[in-house]
Amino acid sequence: AQKITQTQPGMFVQEKEAVTLDCTYDTSDQSYGLFWYKQPSSGEMIFLIYQGSYDEQNATEGRYSLNFQKARKSANLVISASQLGDSAMYFCAMTTRYKLSFGAGTTVTVRA
Amino acid sequence: DTAVSQTPKYLVTQMGNDKSIKCEQNLGHDTMYWYKQDSKKFLKIMFSYNNKELIINETVPNRFSPKSPDKAHLNLHINSLELGDSAVYFCASSPLPSNTEAFFGQGTRLTVV
Repeated sequence: AQKITQTQPGMFVQEKEAVTLDCTYDTSDQSYGLFWYKQPSSGEMIFLIYQGSYDEQNATEGRYSLNFQKARKSANLVISASQLGDSAMYFCAMTTRYKLSFGAGTTVTVRA
Repeated sequence: DTAVSQTPKYLVTQMGNDKSIKCEQNLGHDTMYWYKQDSKKFLKIMFSYNNKELIINETVPNRFSPKSPDKAHLNLHINSLELGDSAVYFCASSPLPSNTEAFFGQGTRLTVV
């Protein structure tokens, strides 16, 4: 069984600062993918970044980077230079075979 | 062109009714999913289909019956709706192997009164 844990229900960050969202996972599969999605108040699910279990380098997409520590089974998301538009719910997710499972989410509020 | 489209976007219905939510993807993906997002925003997988075949059924009540007429469509039919079925339902699709993003529909907000 696979499990994704996000321990931070909510976070506040000052505009232009960086924020790290924690995610740990558990799976017995050797091949898996890790994702982060953003869900603004409008409700749509927006893909942010992907990391494969065999990727040796941490993934980066613009202001988003994924800090992948395989031995610790963690896949933290770092958002640099936060903007007001980053205020949203953020979900960590993992895919193995035909299953894509999500963590409970972290609400990020960016303050001006 | 919408990659994954769900209809309707909003659905308000009375307890006991039967309703369907349609989902179509034009991405040529093999895998499609249904998720339920409850009031606490938790996203729970309900079903996973690969090329029209049911792969995962996450202990969903029998009142929920997915139908996949072809690999581009995965519809969700719900019988005898209950108050607890009120939620946002998301359809998603992804290619195989699933090492790239899953694309989500805009969601269907179901309200049972």
